[in-house]
Amino acid sequence: DSGVTQTPKHLITATGQRVTLRCSPRSGDLSVYWYQQSLDQGLQFLIQYYNGEERAKGNILERFSAQQFPDLHSELNLSSLELGDSALYFCASSSQGIRETQYFGPGTRLLVL
Amino acid sequence: EDQVTQSPEALRLQEGESSSLNCSYTVSGLRGLFWYRQDPGKGPEFLFTLYSAGEEKEKERLKATLTKKESFLHITAPKPEDSATYLCAVQANDYKLSFGAGTTVTVRA
Repeated sequence: DSGVTQTPKHLITATGQRVTLRCSPRSGDLSVYWYQQSLDQGLQFLIQYYNGEERAKGNILERFSAQQFPDLHSELNLSSLELGDSALYFCASSSQGIRETQYFGPGTRLLVL
Repeated sequence: EDQVTQSPEALRLQEGESSSLNCSYTVSGLRGLFWYRQDPGKGPEFLFTLYSAGEEKEKERLKATLTKKESFLHITAPKPEDSATYLCAVQANDYKLSFGAGTTVTVRA
């Protein structure tokens, strides 16, 4: 158990819908990262937040948005869902920045039908 | 654009048969290179961070090395529990992370 929690574990929804994925980092960790992992594209870095502020942005679509709240939990919002958005979404946290060890959560498996 | 290429895609080893995985990269200013291990259906598990050419790090049967163009993950005398997908990632100066496709290692008893 890494100490990072993600909810829900599984999510099935329809095209065009909007979903919210939630991540709680390890106690004391200030950085939160979001990743997408699909069979055809591997693991893709989406976005990083550090203490509530956006730190780095990767291949995150405009239909996706994220935020980190004052209690340091983070949410990833996915809207206008398409079939291709079906993937595993991972959250990771670290204590300072990217040079610190990243601990990954168990992931949320999203299936868009 | 930053690129990370891992080879081979798959590696089948006999228990005790040492081998190496390769990670070649091009990046606009390297802040760090990372190795992860991932088991099926689970989140990646952090293994190592390497910051500069010539650096080496070890953990149990694993040893990671870094040059200016590539990194190697050496597996010494592997055991079946070392079977997993090993991922390499690089972080550029703009903090963006790029992952390789991974090497799937299978160790047979």
